[in-house]
Amino acid sequence: DAGVIQSPRHEVTEMGQEVTLRCKPISGHDYLFWYRQTMMRGLELLIYFNNNVPIDDSGMPEDRFSAKMPNASFSTLKIQPSEPRDSAVYFCASSKYLDRGRDEQYFGPGTRLTVT
Amino acid sequence: EDKVVQSPLSLVVHEGDTVTLNCSYEVTNFRSLLWYKQEKKAPTFLFMLTSSGIEKKSGRLSSILDKKELFSILNITATQTGDSAVYLCAVEADSGGSNYKLTFGKGTLLTVNP
Repeated sequence: DAGVIQSPRHEVTEMGQEVTLRCKPISGHDYLFWYRQTMMRGLELLIYFNNNVPIDDSGMPEDRFSAKMPNASFSTLKIQPSEPRDSAVYFCASSKYLDRGRDEQYFGPGTRLTVT
Repeated sequence: EDKVVQSPLSLVVHEGDTVTLNCSYEVTNFRSLLWYKQEKKAPTFLFMLTSSGIEKKSGRLSSILDKKELFSILNITATQTGDSAVYLCAVEADSGGSNYKLTFGKGTLLTVNP
């Protein structure tokens, strides 16, 4: 299994531009998570999906952020318009279950976003 | 607001030393506590703890949870340079219905020198 795949690995963009981050979860995993990691705030859960349905997006910082999961093998996190404070590493993770004792999450390699 | 606090923030030791990393938490509707190791890339899972007093062990790493005092420790014995990483603690909590919250600490940066 290739693991969780994210693209791009690095993105540098100018303030105001739209940014789309992509994620392919591990096949057969029903849960997909988007995280953001910065030095100041550490690792934060932004949103998670179960069977392609967004379950909890309370971690999404503001309306400029949106996430979709059109099918079981693909998800996007979009920032429009981007701002310098969005610069961070964005991780996608997936897991098969969300039950006590069985919900180990597998992380992708992350996308390092720099907004100038 | 749920909180997870890790200490120390960073630690430098010599190979062969034993280290103890700490994680304290304040969450509503606790489910479990997880430890991750993050080297240069993504976090990798180490342990999940749900019950107090039961030690989880994997090689030189071990961890235990105290749900009464709301903390967990991660021990690494006979440290090696390959143990150098950021160690993240995260706490899962129920947030109503089938929803779930995961809160991470800022991590402890461990550096093991030869």
